Amino acid sequence: ETGVTQTPRHLVMGMTNKKSLKCEQHLGHNAMYWYKQSAKKPLELMFVYSLEERVENNSVPSRFSPECPNSSHLFLHLHTLQPEDSALYLCASSQTLTDLYGYTFGSGTRLTVV
Amino acid sequence: DQQVKQNSPSLSVQEGRISILNCDYTNSMFDYFLWYKKYPAEGPTFLISISSIKDKNEDGRFTVFLNKSAKHLSLHIVPSQPGDSAVYFCAASAYTGTASKLTFGTGTRLQVTL
Repeated sequence: ETGVTQTPRHLVMGMTNKKSLKCEQHLGHNAMYWYKQSAKKPLELMFVYSLEERVENNSVPSRFSPECPNSSHLFLHLHTLQPEDSALYLCASSQTLTDLYGYTFGSGTRLTVV
Repeated sequence: DQQVKQNSPSLSVQEGRISILNCDYTNSMFDYFLWYKKYPAEGPTFLISISSIKDKNEDGRFTVFLNKSAKHLSLHIVPSQPGDSAVYFCAASAYTGTASKLTFGTGTRLQVTL
């Protein structure tokens, strides 16, 4: 596979559940990102990782917990979410933190919290 | 407060005519502007960009214009084709000292009709 792959594509979870979103990139990129896209809102940057080290956390609630075990994989662990957390969660990667043109997005995970 | 605004949520254009998508921004520190295209069930893909030191960039049927004094940019697609039907996101970049951070607009859904 090439590009950025996200699984699952769709996820429905209850507010007391624990689930994880997975992102995998096969591009040899060193930076990875989690974005959230809610209805009628712009893409919001959640977390930034560079070489497996978190470099930015945009005031995201602790019920979202990222993990980057290596430069090819990024996870978003979810627990005790709220219905307003329902959104499209997009993963992206880039060669470096300053590489804008090689920014590659995955297809996203559509999350519904019930 | 949104720093990047796309005030038209949708636009319908006839095939062969010009499509003009608009974007306004408020942060004068933005130094690069990018347009992304998103098809349903896919992640956004990079389309075209412009540096803040330029006022026009052209790539085939796509041209982006930047008016820094008005803090306004626009994407022109001519001639429009049915395959251009997608959601278009405007994004602006500012260097934070460690990374080039992208700020996105809410998107404009373009429908090219036959």
